[in-house]
Amino acid sequence: EVQLQESGPGLVKPSQSLSLTCSVTGYSITSNYWGWIRKFPGNKMEWMGYISYSGSTSYNPSLKSRISITRDTSKNQFFLQLNSVTTEDTATYYCARLRRGWELDYWGQGVMVTVSS
Amino acid sequence: ETVLTQSPTTTAASPGEKVTITCRASSSVSYMHWYQQKSGASPKLWIYDTSKLASGVPNRFSGSGSGTSYSLIISSIESEDAATYYCQQKSSDPLTFGSGTKLEIK
Repeated sequence: EVQLQESGPGLVKPSQSLSLTCSVTGYSITSNYWGWIRKFPGNKMEWMGYISYSGSTSYNPSLKSRISITRDTSKNQFFLQLNSVTTEDTATYYCARLRRGWELDYWGQGVMVTVSS
Repeated sequence: ETVLTQSPTTTAASPGEKVTITCRASSSVSYMHWYQQKSGASPKLWIYDTSKLASGVPNRFSGSGSGTSYSLIISSIESEDAATYYCQQKSSDPLTFGSGTKLEIK
């Protein structure tokens, strides 16, 4: 069974970088596309970007200058880095697998990240 | 960016009632996906490609729509259906989600 699990610090200071890891088991990240999504307090969901099976990336234009998604295929992990965070980046962050129709069929359990000094 | 507006924002229904959740897009999209999220859990793919039920989804759920208007319909509500439902599109970049509809059971 495909499983995804996010990990990373739950507290980040303003102006610093947020770094999260998504560990995937049961499926190779060299197939499909793999994305990051966040859910803000108040329930708004935002698509952040993806990394493809070949390593190419695509980002939400609203984040383009601050975001980077990379991967380590030997560990079957992909990563999110979000720079220059502010309190507005406080959210629950999810990683997920995308299918061909751009639906997200497997999700991690989510990690809550608070940006605060 | 294609903005997805869901209505209602919150709704309450009694077991056995029919519920319709609507997702309106700011521009035409080719298909819509839907997710169910229960409190404290991650979202689950519920309906994809507008009308196809994801694995394990009860057949009291259905999806329909085209263009700028899509719907998730529950024919006969059960208590386990209490959750927040989100629509999602990727006909145009970036992928966007609806604002969510919270379904409560009376």
